[in-house]
Amino acid sequence: ELKVEQNPLFLSMQEGKNYTIYCNYSTTSDRLYWYRQDPGKSLESLFVLLSNGAVKQEGRLMASLDTKARLSTLHITAAVHDLSATYFCAVESGGSNYKLTFGKGTLLTVNP
Amino acid sequence: DAGVIQSPRHEVTEMGQEVTLRCKPISGHNSLFWYRQTMMRGLELLIYFNNNVPIDDSGMPEDRFSAKMPNASFSTLKIQPSEPRDSAVYFCASSPGLIYEQYFGPGTRLTVT
Repeated sequence: ELKVEQNPLFLSMQEGKNYTIYCNYSTTSDRLYWYRQDPGKSLESLFVLLSNGAVKQEGRLMASLDTKARLSTLHITAAVHDLSATYFCAVESGGSNYKLTFGKGTLLTVNP
Repeated sequence: DAGVIQSPRHEVTEMGQEVTLRCKPISGHNSLFWYRQTMMRGLELLIYFNNNVPIDDSGMPEDRFSAKMPNASFSTLKIQPSEPRDSAVYFCASSPGLIYEQYFGPGTRLTVT
């Protein structure tokens, strides 16, 4: 059974600082997704990572995927308050099974 | 595009009652997914369809839960009878196909008393 672990689960940071969220998964997969969820809202797709070494960037967020290490990172550069949200990684089971398994999420709070 | 549409947005019901949640996927999307989100268990995939056919329902918690997709533009998730432990936010998501990113609806917040 695929297991997805995110850390940290809670992250409080100051505006202007950098930090990284980690997503480890237990079995081989070539597809990984990052989503953002604001309190009481739905999930918004941030990044789709489809191969080993994939790197995607959007604004202050950059995501990368290392399929050999079964690790993805979400790096936050010069955080701003608007980035406060819960961030989820989700991993596809692989093969002919397209089921997504989500991590528990990282609650990010950016303080002024 | 209107995005994924779910109804109702909030549902409060008593234990033992039947609950039906509805979802309209994005037009042209061939895959549809039902998720449940709780504080204790996080986000769990319940069932997913491709071209209106259920592909994997291994996440459906028990026989009280059933899902249908009678056509490409409509799906239902039914709980009968409902129990307090079914209280959660239920999300529907759709995608152009199984290998593409999923677009989530606003969710239905279900409270069973």
